[in-house]
Amino acid sequence: DIQMTQSPSSLSASVGDRVTITCRASQSISSYLNWYQQKPGKAPKLLIYAASSLQSGVPSRFSGSGSGTDFTLTISSLQPEDFATYHCHQSYSTPITFGQGTRLEIK
Amino acid sequence: QVQLQESGPGLVKPSQTLSLTCTVSGGSISSGSYYWSWIRQPAGKGLEWIGRIYTSGSPNYNPSLKSRVTISVDTSKNQFSLKLSSVTAADTAVYYCARSEWGEYGDYDVYWGQGTLVTVSS
Repeated sequence: DIQMTQSPSSLSASVGDRVTITCRASQSISSYLNWYQQKPGKAPKLLIYAASSLQSGVPSRFSGSGSGTDFTLTISSLQPEDFATYHCHQSYSTPITFGQGTRLEIK
Repeated sequence: QVQLQESGPGLVKPSQTLSLTCTVSGGSISSGSYYWSWIRQPAGKGLEWIGRIYTSGSPNYNPSLKSRVTISVDTSKNQFSLKLSSVTAADTAVYYCARSEWGEYGDYDVYWGQGTLVTVSS
């Protein structure tokens, strides 16, 4: 199985901050990497697919980059509604696997 | 707008079979090129992929669950289902169904159900 490791596991930030979350795969996955946002009690929401493609309707302050084993999700200017948990997800091979999640909290 | 809705018992006894159904509305389950997936999340933990099925193909399962999992599609009801046998407390989780689309770089889950909590307890 491909292991996905996110860092940090949790992060405190303020509205307006620029935030970066990292995801590392245990082997190369090319660009088969997606990012989801999850709020408490809700299903995950797709933000970024194929490492850097912004899903329709997602604000442009969200961006993704990387390929191979190292990937990043960046939020350019945090908004109050962005405080949530973020998950990376690889679909390079089955079993599909997720990172453990990064909880983004208000400072 | 495509919508998915999970349904099934919220409480299952240990050693029994967990059965959930996902009803798809706003589109036919047999149209288009999509995977229909199940994903679960224990309380306070990360997401775990259970498996997926293509409408006209064989399912793929997580090897960690493969011996206990069955995913099937009922096109006449526009539903797909999950059965997980011999459950234990470790199977207690919120279970999500999702529609997975795919592109040049793999598949991704655009549409999700709201999730349903299944507790395994006697």
